[in-house]
Amino acid sequence: DAKTTQPNSMESNEEEPVHLPCNHSTISGTDYIHWYRQLPSQGPEYVIHGLTSNVNNRMASLAIAEDRKSSTLILHRATLRDAAVYYCIRLSGAGSYQLTFGKGTKLSVIP
Amino acid sequence: NAGVTQTPKFQVLKTGQSMTLQCAQDMNHNSMYWYRQDPGMGLRLIYYSASEGTTDKGEVPNGYNVSRLNKREFSLRLESAAPSQTSVYFCAVNHNQPQHFGDGTRLSIL
Repeated sequence: DAKTTQPNSMESNEEEPVHLPCNHSTISGTDYIHWYRQLPSQGPEYVIHGLTSNVNNRMASLAIAEDRKSSTLILHRATLRDAAVYYCIRLSGAGSYQLTFGKGTKLSVIP
Repeated sequence: NAGVTQTPKFQVLKTGQSMTLQCAQDMNHNSMYWYRQDPGMGLRLIYYSASEGTTDKGEVPNGYNVSRLNKREFSLRLESAAPSQTSVYFCAVNHNQPQHFGDGTRLSIL
């Protein structure tokens, strides 16, 4: 039970912004939202995480809804290298760091 | 991924053979993890080790054993391989931070 819901696939044109949605309607107050991505034939890599407020880093931005039942990963300018499977993961803030992966969203980037 | 090294990268086994997958890290992290990924699926946790000397079962531990040899190394053993264990195996490490993953071992069991 991954406890998050994501679309199976999305497409984006190169150099355009991409908004990847995630639903986590049963999230608890101490659960963090983490995003990882997996490029073809590689292990997953960390993208970003947040608890309540929006977060930015060099890879992406994370927008978390006010009620925390959903979030959106934002890639500001998609490149061909961003084509990957993106996983949205709830993580308990109680000290455990066991990740539960769903099937994720496969992002295709069109040149 | 320079921080987490998995060996071998590929392996083909016959049903019933045994094998040990190796994972080594140079990141000095306390926790290490073994996952498997079947085609079209997300990763599932097999075993993890929160620190040197401890190991715990994850979601799918049956058919596997692990050894945390020291802080750097965490091995996964298949005592009697079965076709259902054909998968890509990933090792990951962390210490109160996001996990860093290796590039995986692609294992086929005939």
